[in-house]
Amino acid sequence: SAVISQKPSRDICQRGTSLTIQCQVDSQVTMMFWYRQQPGQSLTLIATANQGSEATYESGFVIDKFPISRPNLTFSTLTVSNMSPEDSSIYLCSVVTSGNTIYFGEGSWLTVV
Amino acid sequence: SQQGEEDPQALSIQEGENATMNCSYKTSINNLQWYRQNSGRGLVHLILIRSNEREKHSGRLRVTLDTSKKSSSLLITASGAADTASYFCATATASGTYKYIFGTGTRLKVLA
Repeated sequence: SAVISQKPSRDICQRGTSLTIQCQVDSQVTMMFWYRQQPGQSLTLIATANQGSEATYESGFVIDKFPISRPNLTFSTLTVSNMSPEDSSIYLCSVVTSGNTIYFGEGSWLTVV
Repeated sequence: SQQGEEDPQALSIQEGENATMNCSYKTSINNLQWYRQNSGRGLVHLILIRSNEREKHSGRLRVTLDTSKKSSSLLITASGAADTASYFCATATASGTYKYIFGTGTRLKVLA
């Protein structure tokens, strides 16, 4: 199993600003992912955070808007840049273990006003 | 795009009854997982079923997988108020990229 800590758990942000979300895992993992969950919706994969190289983004998501860092095997950050109300969502960090199970952090609730 | 579609979208049952929710997916899979989410919190892993398995049990949970129909079902028996949550299926493609795609979810409400 894996225990994932995300910070902040909740924030209210001003339009046009940027916020960085941190994800810390209690063990070294190869695969880390960032998801977005808009209100009342399912999860959408934003990107795969690759250690030592640039993140791999899914269709509809770009690095300028969602820059990601992965400095080591236990930590990653996702920045939501130049926020607008449409970015109000829960952002979730996840890891996949050797048993193929996905573990999630508690999520970061962002409200953009 | 969504890989999985779940039905029903919402389900209300009485405490003690069983709840069944279904997930359909579009492409070949390596495995399928079910998750629970309480009121916008993080997702909790419930059960993983591999593509070569047809049925799996875990406590009050029973999951079936029919790869010929590209569908899975989650049965929760003897439900209680604590089972009130949203339930999602997630599928990983057979290509082994470990990128999981989530279904649309079923919102379950268990009434006391």
